Amino acid sequence: GAVVSQHPSRVICKSGTSVKIECRSLDFQATTMFWYRQFPKQSLMLMATSNEGSKATYEQGVEKDKFLINHASLTLSTLTVTSAHPEDSSFYICSARVPRMLDRGRVLHEQYFGPGTRLTVT
Amino acid sequence: GQNIDQPTEMTATEGAIVQINCTYQTSGFNGLFWYQQHAGEAPTFLSYNVLDGLEEKGRFSSFLSRSKGYSYLLLKELQMKDSASYLCAVASGTYKYIFGTGTRLKVLA
Repeated sequence: GAVVSQHPSRVICKSGTSVKIECRSLDFQATTMFWYRQFPKQSLMLMATSNEGSKATYEQGVEKDKFLINHASLTLSTLTVTSAHPEDSSFYICSARVPRMLDRGRVLHEQYFGPGTRLTVT
Repeated sequence: GQNIDQPTEMTATEGAIVQINCTYQTSGFNGLFWYQQHAGEAPTFLSYNVLDGLEEKGRFSSFLSRSKGYSYLLLKELQMKDSASYLCAVASGTYKYIFGTGTRLKVLA
């Protein structure tokens, strides 16, 4: 099956610094990847859609200058949290979209999730 | 607007059956997914429905009614390891996932 990795799995940084999180599709090419944020005991909130070779599409309320997304290749998307603050501490999860044909002419647009990155800003 | 509702918490006994409901109102519909998520881990895929009816997969089944904007996940023969959060997600018109609030299930011995 499709495998998505994230690096690092955990990061602690000081307030005001920037942190880069990598999301890789290991055994397939992903033209579309998604970045989510999850606060404790809450569900996943979509931050942005990352398309290879073009600018990311951000969800309402997500600052594109603070959360920089780059999808320079078909297997790698990066999220950089710039000038991080304690309120940015969260669990960041990426996913890669994989369309595949099912029976009866259906197409499944499944997302394969990475293992997540726990960011703590002190 | 986009809205997906699930109960916040449920408790059930080992060996029992539990049904987790999900209602949705979204712009566009390209399928409904159920994911299981243990604390601190990424979601793992459980099921997918795009047509009305029941999809069965071992101890897990998922049902969809598009006219009612309603789905449920049925877990049979509950085991302790089933204690987790269960996330309902709808693929919108652009294939983005919109996640529900998630249901934390506790399985008691």
